[in-house]
Amino acid sequence: GAVVSQHPSWVICKSGTSVKIECRSLDFQATTMFWYRQFPKQSLMLMATSNEGSKATYEQGVEKDKFLINHASLTLSTLTVTSAHPEDSSFYICSATSGGLRRVEQYFGPGTRLTVT
Amino acid sequence: DAKTTQPPSMDCAEGRAANLPCNHSTISGNEYVYWYRQIHSQGPQYIIHGLKNNETNEMASLIITEDRKSSTLILPHATLRDTAVYYCIVRVVIQGAQKLVFGQGTRLTINP
Repeated sequence: GAVVSQHPSWVICKSGTSVKIECRSLDFQATTMFWYRQFPKQSLMLMATSNEGSKATYEQGVEKDKFLINHASLTLSTLTVTSAHPEDSSFYICSATSGGLRRVEQYFGPGTRLTVT
Repeated sequence: DAKTTQPPSMDCAEGRAANLPCNHSTISGNEYVYWYRQIHSQGPQYIIHGLKNNETNEMASLIITEDRKSSTLILPHATLRDTAVYYCIVRVVIQGAQKLVFGQGTRLTINP
């Protein structure tokens, strides 16, 4: 199957700082990428959907000024958590798909564990 | 909100078939059913998907009822490495954009 990578795999940062997480599709062009977050023992929650070259669409309740998403190329999307607080500590997972609605495959990255101290 | 309901947990003996049920009674005619699994602290792994017909691949089989209101994922010979949380997801399309909205999933434990 297609490969999606994330970097870093884990990060620890101090309150008030910003953290950038990268998501890359390694062997296909990802026209659409998705960002999820997952708290311990909970399911994945969709945060936003980004299409290459356009602004991300955020789910209800997700602060777009806090979680900045950039999808500048067909193989890279970034999520920046700005002014991080301890409650932002979570497992962040991206996924990617190529093509439009006809393409049904959606592949997930390995996740990035963020700890804010 | 997720359009699927699954039992929170299931157990299965190693070597036996694991049958994981999923209800999706509000599914629309053009919405696909996906199955993913997540092993602790990893990203979800794609298993299989289907629309109307039953599907089989090297990992599993997917049986979808004729009315499409429910489906069953079958792992034919479960191993200890199949212990994971299994998510049944209906792919929704909103304003031309597809989304996979995760429910709570089924925590499957394979026992030796």
